[in-house]
Amino acid sequence: DIQMTQSPSTLSASVGDRVTITCRASQSISIWLAWYQQKPGKAPKLLIYRASTLESGVPSRFSGSGSGTEFTLTISSLQPDDFATYYCQQYNNNWWTFGQGTKVEIK
Amino acid sequence: QVQLQESGAGLVKPSETLSLTCTVSGGSISSFYWSWIRQPPGQGLEWIGYIYSGSTYYNPSLKSRVTISVDTSKNQFSLKLSSVTAADTAVYFCARHTYGNGMGYWGQGTLVTVSS
Repeated sequence: DIQMTQSPSTLSASVGDRVTITCRASQSISIWLAWYQQKPGKAPKLLIYRASTLESGVPSRFSGSGSGTEFTLTISSLQPDDFATYYCQQYNNNWWTFGQGTKVEIK
Repeated sequence: QVQLQESGAGLVKPSETLSLTCTVSGGSISSFYWSWIRQPPGQGLEWIGYIYSGSTYYNPSLKSRVTISVDTSKNQFSLKLSSVTAADTAVYFCARHTYGNGMGYWGQGTLVTVSS
């Protein structure tokens, strides 16, 4: 099975900061990776799919990159609404796995 | 506007079968992939399985206990998880996705507690 490892687990940042979250796959998944944002008590929200394609309606300060086994989610200028938990998810060969999550906290 | 809504028993006894339904409104249940995902309290997300065009794919760790089915006449799909234990206590989400494009639509989630 494919394991997804996110880092860091927790990130403290201030409004306006550039934030980067990394997700590593235990084997190559090409570009079959999505990123989600989840706030407490809510369903996850799709931000990025196919590693770098921005979902419709998602602010352009969010971007994704990578392929193979290493991927990043970048928030170019952190806004108050962005404090949340972020998950990567691989979808390769009919097998879907989430990373353990990265909580972005207010510094 | 596509909307998904989970429904089912919120309390299930150990060893029994958990049953949930996801009702889809604002669009047809045909031609899309439909997944179940769960999240134990305070923990991360776990994909359970999905159904597409009558074919099902399950998380191997749950495969022996999971059944996902679809009722196109009611625009619903369902989850059954047998022989539940306390470890199956979680918020259960249903979601829609297209091939290669991530899960763009989610239900609000429903908490299922396994307890006697």
